[in-house]
Amino acid sequence: QKEVEQDPGPLSVPEGAIVSLNCTYSNSAFQYFMWYRQYSRKGPELLMYTYSSGNKEDGRFTAQVDKSSKYISLFIRDSQPSDSATYLCAMSEGDDKIIFGKGTRLHILP
Amino acid sequence: EAEVAQSPRYKITEKSQAVAFWCDPISGHATLYWYRQILGQGPELLVQFQDESVVDDSQLPKDRFSAERLKGVDSTLKIQPAELGDSAMYLCASSLVGGVSFFGQGTRLTVV
Repeated sequence: QKEVEQDPGPLSVPEGAIVSLNCTYSNSAFQYFMWYRQYSRKGPELLMYTYSSGNKEDGRFTAQVDKSSKYISLFIRDSQPSDSATYLCAMSEGDDKIIFGKGTRLHILP
Repeated sequence: EAEVAQSPRYKITEKSQAVAFWCDPISGHATLYWYRQILGQGPELLVQFQDESVVDDSQLPKDRFSAERLKGVDSTLKIQPAELGDSAMYLCASSLVGGVSFFGQGTRLTVV
């Protein structure tokens, strides 16, 4: 079992819909949970990060961590065509060693 | 807004030639990472520095790749000789705490 699992997609949703992106993990020692957005031919951009468990909201984006289920989610409300990108989850135990998911390709259809 | 600077953005080189990439992390970030990313995959760690010291280079192909961060600030990643299979995006990132990292725009390397 890989440490971090992420469905590669592609995921296609109509503009304005709520998008749910998810990752599962096996290492219960992970403490930092990150979401990155990566446009084609660009470097990943940090969207949000959460320390330990709980929810965090920033504008249209909400990150959730469920440590009991070893499951993290990123929700995008009122999705826009500009949200079309690859979304990477990443996790660390706090020792600066980061494990990435393979990324989910998201397409928002106008 | 502070950001990680990388250069060059694009590089085309012939196989067996040497190539070098440069990275300037966000000021004050002690941890610096070099990653390689192949299209459709997540970043793969090549080397991790804490200040000027290498923390993890277990995935760095040391017969051809080298990395340094002499003064604990900017860093250089070198490939010599380049091979066709080295064509990829090379990403630099820096972190202040917990591995929460900020990435540069990357260098897209094409080996011909």
